[in-house]
Amino acid sequence: DTGVSQDPRHKITKRGQNVTFRCDPISEHNRLYWYRQTLGQGPEFLTYFQNEAQLEKSRLLSDRFSAERPKGSFSTLEIQRTEQGDSAMYLCASSLWESTNYGYTFGSGTRLTVV
Amino acid sequence: GDSVTQMEGPVTLSEEAFLTINCTYTATGYPSLFWYVQYPGEGLQLLLKATKADDKGSNKGFEATYRKETTSFHLEKGSVQVSDSAVYFCALSRPETSYDKVIFGPGTSLSVIP
Repeated sequence: DTGVSQDPRHKITKRGQNVTFRCDPISEHNRLYWYRQTLGQGPEFLTYFQNEAQLEKSRLLSDRFSAERPKGSFSTLEIQRTEQGDSAMYLCASSLWESTNYGYTFGSGTRLTVV
Repeated sequence: GDSVTQMEGPVTLSEEAFLTINCTYTATGYPSLFWYVQYPGEGLQLLLKATKADDKGSNKGFEATYRKETTSFHLEKGSVQVSDSAVYFCALSRPETSYDKVIFGPGTSLSVIP
């Protein structure tokens, strides 16, 4: 198992464009989380899935953001009509629901720069 | 709502110095507490955890004790190395609820100089 993979590692986009990120969790993990991290801050929760069901969305997740996990495996996070304020590191993490209190496994993140 | 507060950084120490990074939390119920570490250019890694009061988490020479009476989970290491330079995040979750996502503090940057 190679851990949690995120693609791409870096993305530069022009304001107003749409972007999509992908996360491949550890294969046996049924929970998948998306976080956003801005410079000098801790990760902020965006949303999470248990299998293919999206169980919670943060108020940070505006209507321009959508996340899917169609087959309960990989997940995508799409941002429509990007704004400069969307520039951040987008982190994906996975866990087994039975052992969430044992911590997550994080990917290396996708760094988004909106110019 | 639940929250985590950490001492502000950056913290700069000489090699072999003693490290303390303070962390306090606000949460109802009985949260699980964590320290995560983020090395330059890498994702977050779980460093240690404690799931109930008075538990001590330890890993790689780092320790933290879950103190419910003071709602604290301070990170300590007796002798830091240059390789410990990283950003350290205190975090909590409440697995007894359906809202068991992990909530992170703002992070404390540590630089260890030779």
